[in-house]
Amino acid sequence: EIVMTQSPGTLSVSPGERATLSCRASQSVSDKLAWYQQRPGQAPRLLIYDASTRATGIPDRFSGSGSGTEFTLTISSLQSEDFAVYYCQQYKNWPPLTFGGGTKVEFK
Amino acid sequence: EVQLVQSGAVVKKPGESLKISCKGLGYNFASRWIAWVRQKPGKGLEWMGIIYPVDSDAKYSPSFQGQVTMSVDKSIDTAYLRWRSLNASDTAMYFCARGGHTYGVWGQGTQVTVSS
Repeated sequence: EIVMTQSPGTLSVSPGERATLSCRASQSVSDKLAWYQQRPGQAPRLLIYDASTRATGIPDRFSGSGSGTEFTLTISSLQSEDFAVYYCQQYKNWPPLTFGGGTKVEFK
Repeated sequence: EVQLVQSGAVVKKPGESLKISCKGLGYNFASRWIAWVRQKPGKGLEWMGIIYPVDSDAKYSPSFQGQVTMSVDKSIDTAYLRWRSLNASDTAMYFCARGGHTYGVWGQGTQVTVSS
């Protein structure tokens, strides 16, 4: 099973600032990496797939990069609605598909 | 509009059985895999498995194999997740989601509480 590790656990940022979230895989997942956003009380929302492709309707302030074992989600200028928990997920080797433990982006 | 609509919250006692549902609307239900994802209170997402409605081909996470059963009824565009005997550690929110390996459409979640 591939283990996904996200850092930091919590990121404190101010609106308008840039946020950089990291995700590391225990072995190479090539570019088979997705990012999700989960707001409190809501279902997750797909942001990025194939490491860098934005899902339909996702604003271009969200961008993904990386390949192999190291990945980054960048939010270029945080809006109020972006304060949420973000999860990475690999789909290179499965079952099982595996998620990271999440990064909470909170208001500074 | 493409939607997945899940059954409502339930409270059960340890040892009881349960089946929750996920109905697909607005698309060809049979053509897309359905996944189940668990989220315990205050915790992260755990992938349980996926099922293909056309032939009920199912793939389980080793962590959930033998603990739950996924099924579908194509005639009513509905997927199910079943437990034979619940225990307190099954208390969680359960989401269904559409897709084989990435999930762009999610249900609203079903809260399952197991308590004596």
